[in-house]
Formats: sequence, structure tokens, C-alpha cells
Amino acid sequence: DSGVTQTPKHLITATGQRVTLRCSPRSGDLSVYWYQQSLDQGLQFLIQYYNGEERAKGNILERFSAQQFPDLHSELNLSSLELGDSALYFCASSNLAGGPSDTQYFGPGTRLTVL
Amino acid sequence: AQSVTQLGSHVSVSEGALVLLRCNYSSSVPPYLFWYVQYPNQGLQLLLKYTSAATLVKGINGFEAEFKKSETSFHLTKPSAHMSDAAEYFCAVSEDREYGNKLVFGAGTILRVKS
Repeated sequence: DSGVTQTPKHLITATGQRVTLRCSPRSGDLSVYWYQQSLDQGLQFLIQYYNGEERAKGNILERFSAQQFPDLHSELNLSSLELGDSALYFCASSNLAGGPSDTQYFGPGTRLTVL
Repeated sequence: AQSVTQLGSHVSVSEGALVLLRCNYSSSVPPYLFWYVQYPNQGLQLLLKYTSAATLVKGINGFEAEFKKSETSFHLTKPSAHMSDAAEYFCAVSEDREYGNKLVFGAGTILRVKS
């Protein structure tokens, strides 16, 4: 158990819908990262937040957005869902300044299925 | 941009045999390198990381990896495979962004251990 929690574990929805994925980092960790894992794209970095502020952005679609709240939990919002958005979404957290040598601790993931 | 190549999407070894999973990286700056393991239906767990302190890095569960700058490699080894080692293994390089960072993952190698 990494200490990172993600809810829900599974999500099944229809095309065109909007969903929110939630992540609680390890106690004391200020950085939160979101990754998408799919069969065709592999593991792809989406976005990083550090203490409430966006720090780095990856291949995140405009239909996706994220935020980190004052209690440090984070939410990933996915809208106008398409079949291709079906994937496993991971949240990770790190306890240092969010720098390149930080160890990122991964949550169990949310499996999103878009029908 | 940094990148990671994992040679062999599937590796099969007998129980008790040497495990060797290959990883080559591309980076214009001294890299930070990581190996993660993913068991079925679980998140990623850190096995070990290289942060320039020592070229031979020891990790959990008897795994180790050696950083070879001349070969731009960071191969993962374990002297004797156990059935519980069957999982998917990911090599990753940390890409430093201004004020943030992200992990760039290889495509993964599925390790099968035969009894």
C-alpha cells in the first residue's frame, strides 16, 4: 500500500459524459501527478500540481482538466468523453519539491470504461 | 526530450534463473532513472532508482540495476527468479521541466516465470 488513494476504482460511463476522478496523496506529500495508461499509448504523463499550483503539463487533452485543493487532494475532470478515453488513470504523489529525483508513489488507479 | 526504450515486450525465464530486463535511455542531461513493477490490477511500485550516487543500485525484492553512461543503459537484474516476480516492469526517466517534472516511461516488459 503506497498511501495514495484513488476513487472510484472503476467507472463505466457513456460517450459525451463527464466524470471526476479523485486522488488523495500520501500524508505530507505536496506534489500530485496524473498519468494515463492505455494499451495503445502506454503510460503517459498528464499533469503535475505542487501545493495547489500547476507545475508541469504533458499530453493532456483540452477536454481534461485538473486541480489540487487546499487539503492537497486532487481531482481530474474528463469531459465530452470518447471511446478512446477508456484507460487506467493513475495518481502519484511525492514528498519533496516535485523535482526530478523525487520518488513518485502511485495509487491503485481508476479504470475508466467509456461505452 | 528524454525517452526510454525497453527491449523485449515479453521475457520468459525459469524459476531460479537469472532475470535480465533491458532498458536504454536517451537524455541530453544526466538522467534520473527508475524501475517500477506493476502486478495485475495494481498500481506501480518503485523497485529502485538511480540518482547519480552510485552506478550499481540495489532495490527491493533482490533486484538491482547498473547505470552505464557509455551504453546509455540501465538494465534490471535479479540472480534467481521467483514465481512471485511475474509482473510487468517499467523503466522510466525523469524529465525535468521548469518548476516541475514528469516520468517518461518505456513500453513495459512482461516477465513470465515458469516452474
